[in-house]
Amino acid sequence: GNSVTQMEGPVTLSEEAFLTINCTYTATGYPSLFWYVQYPGEGLQLLLKATKADDKGSNKGFEATYRKETTSFHLEKGSVQVSDSAVYFCALTGTGRRALTFGSGTRLQVQP
Amino acid sequence: GAVVSQHPSRVICKSGTSVKIECRSLDFQATTMFWYRQFPKQSLMLMATSNEGSKATYEQGVEKDKFLINHASLTLSTLTVTSAHPEDSSFYICSARQGSTNEKLFFGSGTQLSVL
Repeated sequence: GNSVTQMEGPVTLSEEAFLTINCTYTATGYPSLFWYVQYPGEGLQLLLKATKADDKGSNKGFEATYRKETTSFHLEKGSVQVSDSAVYFCALTGTGRRALTFGSGTRLQVQP
Repeated sequence: GAVVSQHPSRVICKSGTSVKIECRSLDFQATTMFWYRQFPKQSLMLMATSNEGSKATYEQGVEKDKFLINHASLTLSTLTVTSAHPEDSSFYICSARQGSTNEKLFFGSGTQLSVL
């Protein structure tokens, strides 16, 4: 079956530091890949997505590239801000209308 | 953007009681809603897929008599944890899909259930 593995948090960084949150997946076929973000007290929100190999999703300074050869979709940001503090979930979905398969989430704490 | 409201955000109950969690899509119609469960430091696990007007589809290992799901309208789905026990304590999250693909999937803020 499908599965997603994320690095365990919390990840603690200083403001303006470079961020990488690793995500690898196992899936049959050609899944679509997503990163969701959950700010305190709110629901998960779609941050970015990629639907095929070598696609790069980007939003709000975050980027992730769909790497089929390494089955990875690592999240990166060049300069984090305190407002980026949240929990980040990597997820995938197969073809059709199947529900998302999530990773366990990685908490990011950015200190001023 | 679209909003999904989930209530309550936190509930504490005694063992043996039932708890109902509501999930509402506030500004769109959701023919499909999903219910997830999350244990500490673990993935969100899909419990069931709920389609308006029909019976929910439960994932393997999820007891349908324990976790009753009702999706009576296009804007409301409810999850009732019946005869709750301490092992049911968990974080429950709903999501509602606008349209037929996962491109527009919106999440509630979750419910933390603690069963004493």
